[in-house]
Amino acid sequence: AQSVAQPEDQVNVAEGNPLTVKCTYSVSGNPYLFWYVQYPNRGLQFLLKYITGDNLVKGSYGFEAEFNKSQTSFHLKKPSALVSDSALYFCAVRDNSGGYQKVTFGTGTKLQVIP
Amino acid sequence: GAVVSQHPSWVICKSGTSVKIECRSLDFQATTMFWYRQFPKQSLMLMATSNEGSKATYEQGVEKDKFLINHASLTLSTLTVTSAHPEDSSFYICSARAGQGSHEQYFGPGTRLTVT
Repeated sequence: AQSVAQPEDQVNVAEGNPLTVKCTYSVSGNPYLFWYVQYPNRGLQFLLKYITGDNLVKGSYGFEAEFNKSQTSFHLKKPSALVSDSALYFCAVRDNSGGYQKVTFGTGTKLQVIP
Repeated sequence: GAVVSQHPSWVICKSGTSVKIECRSLDFQATTMFWYRQFPKQSLMLMATSNEGSKATYEQGVEKDKFLINHASLTLSTLTVTSAHPEDSSFYICSARAGQGSHEQYFGPGTRLTVT
């Protein structure tokens, strides 16, 4: 079974400060990892993914995430937060071992960037 | 980029009636489409996975006779909520994957269903 944990329901950060949204995962094989962002009453927008290769993945809107296999983490980061980054962020994992597996989403972390 | 649309964006229906929600991939062919349900302040719950031309695979606990899914073409999937009840009120989101070699899913904007 695969699972994703987002330990923080909400993260508050001042505009201009760096932000981190935490995510840890559990899979039996090797993971495919994703971050999505959701604005109110909207669907999810893809931010970035880790499939293989470089542990530091760069995505949309200046976001990046670092895959850490030993800590089974995939934290989302941005060097300087914008008020417009305020939204709900979902981490997701898919086990890539053998055939298609469904994607499991975390419970989401609400990011509030304070002006 | 890949765009997925949903229609309608919101719908209000009376208890006992049926509602159809459409999900379209606008600029790519979606071999696989997914239907999710999202409750307020909660994560997405996968309801079913559908592959074009074949029957949908429903997740445990999801009534296939109540939530009818059709994936008739590579760009269109529909979800029909039959005999809707107030507890079916929710935010329904579809997503699409371009093919086996594609890893990420592209999401529609969601449909807010309210059953009165």
